Amino acid sequence: GALVYQYPRRTICKSGTSMRMECQAVGFQATSVAWYRQSPQKTFELIALSTVNSAIKYEQNFTQEKFPISHPNLSFSSMTVLNAYLEDRGLYLCGAWGANTGQLYFGEGSKLTVL
Amino acid sequence: GDQVEQSPSALSLHEGTDSALRCNFTTTMRSVQWFRQNSRGSLISLFYLASGTKENGRLKSAFDSKERRYSTLHIRDAQLEDSGTYFCAANTGANTGKLTFGHGTILRVHP
Repeated sequence: GALVYQYPRRTICKSGTSMRMECQAVGFQATSVAWYRQSPQKTFELIALSTVNSAIKYEQNFTQEKFPISHPNLSFSSMTVLNAYLEDRGLYLCGAWGANTGQLYFGEGSKLTVL
Repeated sequence: GDQVEQSPSALSLHEGTDSALRCNFTTTMRSVQWFRQNSRGSLISLFYLASGTKENGRLKSAFDSKERRYSTLHIRDAQLEDSGTYFCAANTGANTGKLTFGHGTILRVHP
């Protein structure tokens, strides 16, 4: 079956430092990867949508300079949160979508705590 | 404004009872997914629907095939392990997997 592994599960970092998270799709080809952030209030925000062989599209309020994303092949994607501050706290989720599956498969999330 | 309106925001059920969650969409949606988020934060996919209904055990979901403006999730014979936060998420149409999430329903099943 289709699975998405995401790591690390949680990171505690000091203000101003960075956190990198990775997402691995198994059992299907991840044509697109969507990175979301779930706030402590549980609402979801789409950060960016990455499609292989296309430019990464960032949503309003999110930039490549702050959240650089790499999506080099159909099974792997990574995102970094640069210069993390309190407002960056939350659960970061990668959702991988395959053209043959139709649905989005999510990793288990990377929880970021900023001190 | 929000494209996905999920209700109720919280629900308390006795074990063994039935209930339903609903998501209304302010625009026509291509597909909908329902998730349960466990206490560790993992999003578990329950259903993916592009139309019609699907059933899995005590759970059943429907997506309005005509106007594509709402979806429901029915829970039959609720059990303690059904407790968690449920989210619907809809795909607006572009074939890329971009989803718009509802605000969630916190379900608590008690004895």
